[in-house]
Amino acid sequence: SQQGEEDPQALSIQEGENATMNCSYKTSINNLQWYRQNSGRGLVHLILIRSNEREKHSGRLRVTLDTSKKSSSLLITASRAADTASYFCATVRVLDTGRRALTFGSGTRLQVQP
Amino acid sequence: GAVVSQHPSRVICKSGTSVKIECRSLDFQATTMFWYRQFPKKSLMLMATSNEGSKATYEQGVEKDKFLINHASLTLSTLTVTSAHPEDSSFYICSAGLAGIYEQYFGPGTRLTVT
Repeated sequence: SQQGEEDPQALSIQEGENATMNCSYKTSINNLQWYRQNSGRGLVHLILIRSNEREKHSGRLRVTLDTSKKSSSLLITASRAADTASYFCATVRVLDTGRRALTFGSGTRLQVQP
Repeated sequence: GAVVSQHPSRVICKSGTSVKIECRSLDFQATTMFWYRQFPKKSLMLMATSNEGSKATYEQGVEKDKFLINHASLTLSTLTVTSAHPEDSSFYICSAGLAGIYEQYFGPGTRLTVT
């Protein structure tokens, strides 16, 4: 089952507006990551926030993490049409083999109207 | 750096045939690669972990005889969908990571359509 649930599932905004996506998770984490996926393509890593961090910035991206609520949010400011994509949060889980794999949230499909 | 490629990007095959998908780490060595499956407008589901030089480990519910994984070198893992059926049609994505780094690098994915 998916570790994280994201809301909204879909979001449509106008260019220039801000977009906020939320992610909740269930288990303890060391870090939480956000990825972006253009339609029919692979995923691209956007940002990683550690469990001892509350907020992190990267360009127009702002990520917050609330470990007490087991939730994170991704804010994209001054959105552009090129930001149209699906956004996933991901947490790391340790497999029986000791390897670390990612578990993804359900994703938010963002549509930015020009 | 940290580029992962997949081949083919798109494949159409007939029911009953087998299809091989390649995942390569182009500029780094990957002792572990991961194979995911993604249905339209859905999230990625981990299928299996590919381990160089040893057997792959499969997630619960994934048939290892159906989805054969071979990690023959530190830069190549292959996923073979055997005796494909229309319900195997999906988007398959691989990923790999650098040692000691949490983030993963993803291939561009392979769209499989079984007719």
